[in-house]
Amino acid sequence: GESVGLHLPTLSVQEGDNSIINCAYSNSASDYFIWYKQESGKGPQFIIDIRSNMDKRQGQRVTVLLNKTVKHLSLQIAATQPGDSAVYFCAEKVTGRRALTFGSGTRLQVQP
Amino acid sequence: DAGVIQSPRHEVTEMGQEVTLRCKPISGHNSLFWYRQTMMRGLELLIYFNNNVPIDDSGMPEDRFSAKMPNASFSTLKIQPSEPRDSAVYFCASSFTDIHTGELFFGEGSRLTVL
Repeated sequence: GESVGLHLPTLSVQEGDNSIINCAYSNSASDYFIWYKQESGKGPQFIIDIRSNMDKRQGQRVTVLLNKTVKHLSLQIAATQPGDSAVYFCAEKVTGRRALTFGSGTRLQVQP
Repeated sequence: DAGVIQSPRHEVTEMGQEVTLRCKPISGHNSLFWYRQTMMRGLELLIYFNNNVPIDDSGMPEDRFSAKMPNASFSTLKIQPSEPRDSAVYFCASSFTDIHTGELFFGEGSRLTVL
């Protein structure tokens, strides 16, 4: 079946650098995407979302880019901080459904 | 708001025992989701409810799993009998019903270990 996937299982960056986490999705019927952050021992927390009629959305230090042509989603974190260390999941929602399908996750490690 | 509340946070049980996980969604949310997280399979949707009615339970692994939502403020996920392969973190999440967005608010999870 169609699913959401991630390119890199672990990403290590230096504090202060920018981070880019990538995600590939295969369901062309998906109309809404979310990035979640999960810290150890906690549930996933919402970071930023984007609808399929947009190609870019910015938040505080985070930007999500959506390329529907190649079915690619990315999360950019500016000036990465130690507190950004976590596992990041992309999730998609298919038109007409309420449940989210999650990717396998990327672990971001921020080196001091 | 206290957020989504799950209990117990940790459960260790022996194979064959019944396990009941509980969830209190955020007040006012009318959609509730149960997810299971394992290293091998990541976050998998088990079942979700809308206005207390099960909408999609296709993710429930087998008949040993059942979920109920007797009212808008409470849901249970039951495993009977439990097996070692059920060991995972079970998350409950809730949201407002809106087909155009879909932010889910997750609880802290219930870590289940079946020996």
